[in-house]
Amino acid sequence: AQSVTQLDSQVPVFEEAPVELRCNYSSSVSVYLFWYVQYPNQGLQLLLKYLSGSTLVKGINGFEAEFNKSQTSFHLRKPSVHISDTAEYFCAVSSRGGSQGNLIFGKGTKLSVKP
Amino acid sequence: GAGVSQTPSNKVTEKGKYVELRCDPISGHTALYWYRQSLGQGPEFLIYFQGTGAADDSGLPNDRFFAVRPEGSVSTLKIQRTERGDSAVYLCASSAGGNTEAFFGQGTRLTVV
Repeated sequence: AQSVTQLDSQVPVFEEAPVELRCNYSSSVSVYLFWYVQYPNQGLQLLLKYLSGSTLVKGINGFEAEFNKSQTSFHLRKPSVHISDTAEYFCAVSSRGGSQGNLIFGKGTKLSVKP
Repeated sequence: GAGVSQTPSNKVTEKGKYVELRCDPISGHTALYWYRQSLGQGPEFLIYFQGTGAADDSGLPNDRFFAVRPEGSVSTLKIQRTERGDSAVYLCASSAGGNTEAFFGQGTRLTVV
């Protein structure tokens, strides 16, 4: 069975600093991985996804993630964060083949960017 | 519509009452998904429709929860005899099916008092 673990529930960081949000997964089938962002009182927005191909995935808003099969990780990174990046970030794995709608989510990481 | 629309945005109900939550998917999207997000948790899968039929309802917590999609477009999530533990944000998503991207609505915040 698939599962996702987000190792940090909260990550405080200063503006313009780099950030890494950690995600580990377990899956017995082909892996399809996602990162979503949720701003306060808004729905989930897809940041990026790994379905196949290059293990380094670039997404919106300057975020990127690297799929590491040996470490079963899919950590999210940004070299320089902005105040507007303050939000909750969710890592997810597809639970049904390549379906991008049948997802198992982690518990989320709250990113707080301070001036 | 331009995106997935969920109504109402907020619903407060008394314990034991019946509620219906509505989801309008993106026009033409054949796949529709319901999730529940409790406070401090990630979204949890409830049910998945492909067209009019429920292809996977394994996430529904018990028989008080039921969902329909009679014409393959709008879906309604129905909760009978609500309990305080049902309080959560209920999210809906839709996709064009297969391995296409799913888009989420802003959710309905249900509070059972």
